Amino acid sequence: NAGVTQTPKFQVLKTGQSMTLQCAQDMNHEYMSWYRQDPGMGLRLIHYSVGAGITDQGEVPNGYNVSRSTTEDFPLRLLSAAPSQTSVYFCASSYSRSSYEQYFGPGTRLTVT
Amino acid sequence: EDQVTQSPEALRLQEGESSSLNCSYTVSGLRGLFWYRQDPGKGPEFLFTLYSAGEEKEKERLKATLTKKESFLHITAPKPEDSATYLCAVQAMSGGSARQLTFGSGTQLTVLP
Repeated sequence: NAGVTQTPKFQVLKTGQSMTLQCAQDMNHEYMSWYRQDPGMGLRLIHYSVGAGITDQGEVPNGYNVSRSTTEDFPLRLLSAAPSQTSVYFCASSYSRSSYEQYFGPGTRLTVT
Repeated sequence: EDQVTQSPEALRLQEGESSSLNCSYTVSGLRGLFWYRQDPGKGPEFLFTLYSAGEEKEKERLKATLTKKESFLHITAPKPEDSATYLCAVQAMSGGSARQLTFGSGTQLTVLP
C-alpha cells in the first residue's frame, strides 16, 4: 500500500492564481481531511469528508473548495491564491471520523507571492 | 471551544537524559487524546491514544500518561533518532458524535549525541 499520497510536494503561486492540491489514499478509508500547518499554530482543519459525495467545512475553510467523487481521491482547490495561504498542507485519512488513528500524507509546501 | 497547549515549545536533551513533554487541554467531553510524532518535511505519524484519566501507554522509550487536565509524554534515555516534533491533539464528543481533532502547536525535541 502507498498509504496517503499528495502532489505536488512544492508549489509557488502568484496572488490570484488558482490550483488544485491532489490527495489520494489506497486504504479504502471513508474519512479524509485537509489541514494546514503554520509555525506556532498547529494543524488546523480546512475541510473534511466522511465518504464519497459528502464534504463539510472545518475550522478555516475560506478560500478553499473540496469535492469527493470517489473514496480514494480528495482534491483541495485554491480558488484565488492569497499570500495568507502560504503554508504546508497535509491530507489525512482514517477508517471513519471516530477512528483514533489518522494517516497523514507527506505534505505540500505552498508559497504564494 | 477546545484548546490544547503544549510546553515547552522546544527542548534540547543530551542522549540518555530523560525528560517529559506537557500537553494541557480544555475540552468538554473528552473522547480521546492523541500523540503524534512529526519528522522534518514529513506528515505526522500516530503514536498513542489515551481515553481516560489514569491511563498509560508505552512504546519503546516513550510513555504517555493522562490526567483530567493534561497529558505527559515521558522520554526515557532518549537517543538522537528520537529528535522530532511531538504533537498532541484532543477529540471531543458532541451530541453523540465525535468532533474534529484539535491540535497543539507541538514540542520540538532535539537529542544531542
